[in-house]
Amino acid sequence: NAGVTQTPKFQVLKTGQSMTLQCAQDMNHEYMSWYRQDPGMGLRLIHYSVGAGITDQGEVPNGYNVSRSTTEDFPLRLLSAAPSQTSVYFCASSPARDVKADTQYFGPGTRLTVL
Amino acid sequence: AQSVSQHNHHVILSEAASLELGCNYSYGGTVNLFWYVQYPGQHLQLLLKYFSGDPLVKGIKGFEAEFIKSKFSFNLRKPSVQWSDTAEYFCAVSSGSNYQLIWGAGTKLIIKP
Repeated sequence: NAGVTQTPKFQVLKTGQSMTLQCAQDMNHEYMSWYRQDPGMGLRLIHYSVGAGITDQGEVPNGYNVSRSTTEDFPLRLLSAAPSQTSVYFCASSPARDVKADTQYFGPGTRLTVL
Repeated sequence: AQSVSQHNHHVILSEAASLELGCNYSYGGTVNLFWYVQYPGQHLQLLLKYFSGDPLVKGIKGFEAEFIKSKFSFNLRKPSVQWSDTAEYFCAVSSGSNYQLIWGAGTKLIIKP
């Protein structure tokens, strides 16, 4: 099992550019999520999905879109990058739909800089 | 708003020292509690979790944590740290939502050999 994979590992964007962060898991997990991590702050949930075709907003969804067309993939789209989106982005998955009931498995992270 | 507080952002210890990392939360309902760890260059991974039962839970690599409901705390402990314990440690607590945990800001632990 590769677990949770994310690409790219590093990315630099200019303000206003769009891009997609890729996330895939091969564990047949129902729950997938995107977090951002900023210095001095905990992980903050951007969007999550409890199964293919189902997505919902987390704590900080503005400026991001997601889709879940398959169980395996959960891409995160930045529509028009802003410097405030400079962060480290983590994708995670969990076997249970109820995230408090089970372990989350994390990808390696994507370090994004917006100039 | 619900919150999780990790008291120390940076901790530096020598090998063989004892470790206690604090975690306090504000949610008043039934909670599930987690400690995750990120070793340098590795993914975040689960260290231990508490759902119910014995409030003293044991995790991987000799770590343990104690849930004290009256203090809203879930402190992480290890009697004798090793250089390989150098990592960032995150506390997370369930909220009223089934789909979101509340995370602390993390504690960076450096163990001097």
